[in-house]
Amino acid sequence: DAKTTQPNSMESNEEEPVHLPCNHSTISGTDYIHWYRQLPSQGPEYVIHGLTSNVNNRMASLAIAEDRKSSTLILHRATLRDAAVYYCILWNGGAQKLVFGQGTRLTINP
Amino acid sequence: EAGVVQSPRYKIIEKKQPVAFWCNPISGHNTLYWYLQNLGQGPELLIRYENEEAVDDSQLPKDRFSAERLKGVDSTLKIQPAELGDSAVYLCASSSTQGNTGELFFGEGSRLTVL
Repeated sequence: DAKTTQPNSMESNEEEPVHLPCNHSTISGTDYIHWYRQLPSQGPEYVIHGLTSNVNNRMASLAIAEDRKSSTLILHRATLRDAAVYYCILWNGGAQKLVFGQGTRLTINP
Repeated sequence: EAGVVQSPRYKIIEKKQPVAFWCNPISGHNTLYWYLQNLGQGPELLIRYENEEAVDDSQLPKDRFSAERLKGVDSTLKIQPAELGDSAVYLCASSSTQGNTGELFFGEGSRLTVL
């Protein structure tokens, strides 16, 4: 399974943008880049995914480097409810499974 | 639309006792997953079902863990006998197999404490 590397923790302030980085240097051409987040005492929740192009949805934006070896999840205006562990995961359609790493614990200060 | 439903939410048992967790996936989702999450760690896959067939159970400790998905809908994960190290959160997830690009829907999990 291709690996991802994320910082263990990050901190930001409420109403400011947050950029969560992820490195995935061994990504293959068919791997999708996924982001999930896990709020306290909840199961993981899908946030966004992409293959090559940048993606936007109501929750966040995903910026993918041109060589696909890294990506950034962007929360445009963080709220206290965005405090969670964010996981960057590579999805290989053949294996049909998500392999989670440690994720980044995001703290939002009021 | 109802999400993935798991029960019980919390379970406390003594070691060597059996325990079972139940999962009801989202209607129409053919693929069902059981994950194990230890404190402070990311979830780890235990088993994946396509309809009623277990297609990936390589990480399931088969000496004490078993799972079933009769009729390809609900699933049960059982541990017998439980050990202290089994204390964790057991997560169920489901997805639609058709054209799936990795969007899984997770339940809230079942937190097991073994004393």
